[in-house]
Amino acid sequence: AQSVTQPDIHITVSEGASLELRCNYSYGATPYLFWYVQSPGQGLQLLLKYFSGDTLVQGIKGFEAEFKRSQSSFNLRKPSVHWSDAAEYFCAVEGTGFQKLVFGTGTRLLVSP
Amino acid sequence: EAQVTQNPRYLITVTGKKLTVTCSQNMNHEYMSWYRQDPGLGLRQIYYSMNVEVTDKGDVPEGYKVSRKEKRNFPLILESPSPNQTSLYFCASSSLALPEAFFGQGTRLTVV
Repeated sequence: AQSVTQPDIHITVSEGASLELRCNYSYGATPYLFWYVQSPGQGLQLLLKYFSGDTLVQGIKGFEAEFKRSQSSFNLRKPSVHWSDAAEYFCAVEGTGFQKLVFGTGTRLLVSP
Repeated sequence: EAQVTQNPRYLITVTGKKLTVTCSQNMNHEYMSWYRQDPGLGLRQIYYSMNVEVTDKGDVPEGYKVSRKEKRNFPLILESPSPNQTSLYFCASSSLALPEAFFGQGTRLTVV
């Protein structure tokens, strides 16, 4: 069965510093990979997605993620964090062909001044 | 504007009182699903629907019902809610051609 691991429950980053959120997945083939962000009291917004091709994908709000097949990872990065990036971030995979997303448990990002 | 609309956004109810959370999408998507979000557990799929009149269980279907009589609507029904169904619920839709899910704003349900 597919699974997604986000090993960091909380991460605190200073404003202006770089950010990397980790995501590892378990799946036999190459799945579709997603990062979603959930701001307080809000729904889920898609940051970026990987379906195939270039393993470095660009998303909205200055985020990027790199798919590494050998490590079964899809880490999210941002070179300079803004206070408005404070939110919860979810990594998700879809690989069954039936549209079902399997989510990680989320990483809550705190941004310090 | 393409969107998934859930109602209500917030709901407090008592144990055993039947309730329905509505979900509607305007993107003509075939696939719709319901997830619940609980602290430390992420989002888990409750039910999904591949098209009109086609529904199936997800990972945590106990205590829930769904129906898909129209393509745009996918209501979630709790016939006898219990406190362990207190959660944040999300409806999502996607095209069968592309597994990119669009989510509603969420419904925070409290069962007392």
